[in-house]
Amino acid sequence: AQSVTQLDSQVPVFEEAPVELRCNYSSSVSVYLFWYVQYPNQGLQLLLKYLSGSTLVKGINGFEAEFNKSQTSFHLRKPSVHISDTAEYFCAVNPNFGNEKLTFGTGTRLTIIP
Amino acid sequence: DTGVSQDPRHKITKRGQNVTFRCDPISEHNRLYWYRQTLGQGPEFLTYFQNEAQLEKSRLLSDRFSAERPKGSFSTLEIQRTEQGDSAMYLCASSLVKGGYEQYFGPGTRLTVT
Repeated sequence: AQSVTQLDSQVPVFEEAPVELRCNYSSSVSVYLFWYVQYPNQGLQLLLKYLSGSTLVKGINGFEAEFNKSQTSFHLRKPSVHISDTAEYFCAVNPNFGNEKLTFGTGTRLTIIP
Repeated sequence: DTGVSQDPRHKITKRGQNVTFRCDPISEHNRLYWYRQTLGQGPEFLTYFQNEAQLEKSRLLSDRFSAERPKGSFSTLEIQRTEQGDSAMYLCASSLVKGGYEQYFGPGTRLTVT
């Protein structure tokens, strides 16, 4: 079984400042890792994913994440945030035999302060 | 690629009534998933299909819940004898078995049980 911990339920950040959203996971098997974003009253949109290879992955909207196997972490970063980044962000994992159910964290609400 | 669609987007029902939701996946996607998301939580897995076969059901899926995917195309999720605790966002996602392993989500159906 897998579990995902997002330690920060809310993160307020000033516009144009950098941000890091933390994600730690636990699993008895190797996993694939994902970050999704959810805007109000909408479904989830994939930001980026880690399957294998380079531990630094780049996604849409200027976001990137780094996979750290020893720390079982997959933190999401953006060097300069915009008002439009205000949303809920979810980290998720599934076993690396692929396309199984996703296990999500509880989410981090990112609020951008003008 | 028209994306995953769900119908209805909102449903208000009285306790004890039956409700049915529909999900149309991205064409050619052979995996279809249902998740439930309550306020302040990440999505929780309910069930998934590969083509028309239902491969896994969560313990969250009580006997009052049933899902089908006839002919491996659209899927329906029915809740019988709704309870107030069923109030949530019901999300559908689809994916390709062989692909980048990401799941594409629909906009969700928000159910309110009064």
